[in-house]
Amino acid sequence: AQSVSQHNHHVILSEAASLELGCNYSYGGTVNLFWYVQYPGQHLQLLLKYFSGDPLVKGIKGFEAEFIKSKFSFNLRKPSVQWSDTAEYFCAVNLGFQKLVFGTGTRLLVSP
Amino acid sequence: GAVVSQHPSWVICKSGTSVKIECRSLDFQATTMFWYRQFPKQSLMLMATSNEGSKATYEQGVEKDKFLINHASLTLSTLTVTSAHPEDSSFYICSAPAPSPSNSPLHFGNGTRLTVT
Repeated sequence: AQSVSQHNHHVILSEAASLELGCNYSYGGTVNLFWYVQYPGQHLQLLLKYFSGDPLVKGIKGFEAEFIKSKFSFNLRKPSVQWSDTAEYFCAVNLGFQKLVFGTGTRLLVSP
Repeated sequence: GAVVSQHPSWVICKSGTSVKIECRSLDFQATTMFWYRQFPKQSLMLMATSNEGSKATYEQGVEKDKFLINHASLTLSTLTVTSAHPEDSSFYICSAPAPSPSNSPLHFGNGTRLTVT
């Protein structure tokens, strides 16, 4: 069965530290990849997505992700985190018509 | 922009009772809506696809008689948890496909936290 793995359940960083959240998926076909963020008390929001083309994708708020097909990975990065980045981050794979498979999420806490 | 409204945001009910959760698409029509469930420290799991004017499609392992889905109009889907038990306590989230053009395939509601006592 298709699955999405996020390696870190909890990450704690200080402001200005660099961030990398891992995401691996198990599916051999063509996939669309997403990172969503959920700030406390808010709904899921799209950070960035990859459909095709340049495997390095830039999203909102300074986030970027790199699709490495050979590694089945789509890791999320940010060079310098801010306190306002405290949230839960979900990696997701679109296997068909708008049907998303999510990872377990990574809860990020950024201390000021 | 397109918004999905979910109500209630939280509910506490007694074991054996039924609870209805509403999901509305505001300012756009959604012939399809998706219901997800999230247990603590676990991923969002797709429960079912709600189809306007026809039966919902349930994912494997989801009891259709327990989780009744009704998509009566192009802007409203409801999920009813029937005869709720403590193990049904979870976070339920609905979503609807974003109207094009959009940079996201789905818009999500804020979720409903259900606690069954």
